[in-house]
Amino acid sequence: DTAVSQTPKYLVTQMGNDKSIKCEQNLGHDTMYWYKQDSKKFLKIMFSYNNKELIINETVPNRFSPKSPDKAHLNLHINSLELGDSAVYFCASSQGRGPGNFGAGTRLSVL
Amino acid sequence: GENVEQHPSTLSVQEGDSAVIKCTYSDSASNYFPWYKQELGKRPQLIIDIRSNVGEKKDQRIAVTLNKTAKHFSLHITETQPEDSAVYFCAAIYSSASKIIFGSGTRLSIRP
Repeated sequence: DTAVSQTPKYLVTQMGNDKSIKCEQNLGHDTMYWYKQDSKKFLKIMFSYNNKELIINETVPNRFSPKSPDKAHLNLHINSLELGDSAVYFCASSQGRGPGNFGAGTRLSVL
Repeated sequence: GENVEQHPSTLSVQEGDSAVIKCTYSDSASNYFPWYKQELGKRPQLIIDIRSNVGEKKDQRIAVTLNKTAKHFSLHITETQPEDSAVYFCAAIYSSASKIIFGSGTRLSIRP
């Protein structure tokens, strides 16, 4: 069984559209994260949730909204997509400190 | 603001030689320092970590050292093998995981 699974793996969409990426972990971890990796491979945290409570909310546009219905799920909704949103988005989870398990990534391309 | 500087950005070593990657952090509140390996097109994988109350940690061919006074930590890979080729990221985690900052990555290439 995949420990951290995110869907879809690829997402190609037009500017201005709204899209969601889903993430689920079956490790029983308390903390989940969303990361963005740009074309230069810089890795940056966007959000972190601990037991459904937001604990990190970095400076990202408010077009990005995370939602955690339970501690095993952390979804990312993006409104009014822009060209600069094109990147690989990774979900991750951990028990306590920094991320230990990453999902396979979602490659988002905004045309 | 807080940042993590990682050097070098690229590193090429002969197979069997050692590789060292260094990171420097700015905020002394950091207390946990993981290292990640990311192969081309794959997800980052946690390979080793160290807490601020420890100076060195080793796991087979991989070791991490931490100098809290100088605020830097290093990844050491000995007897490098072709499968060590990847991008390596360091990170500094602040207390209670309330802030996580990654280094800019080091592309390591192992020459046969």
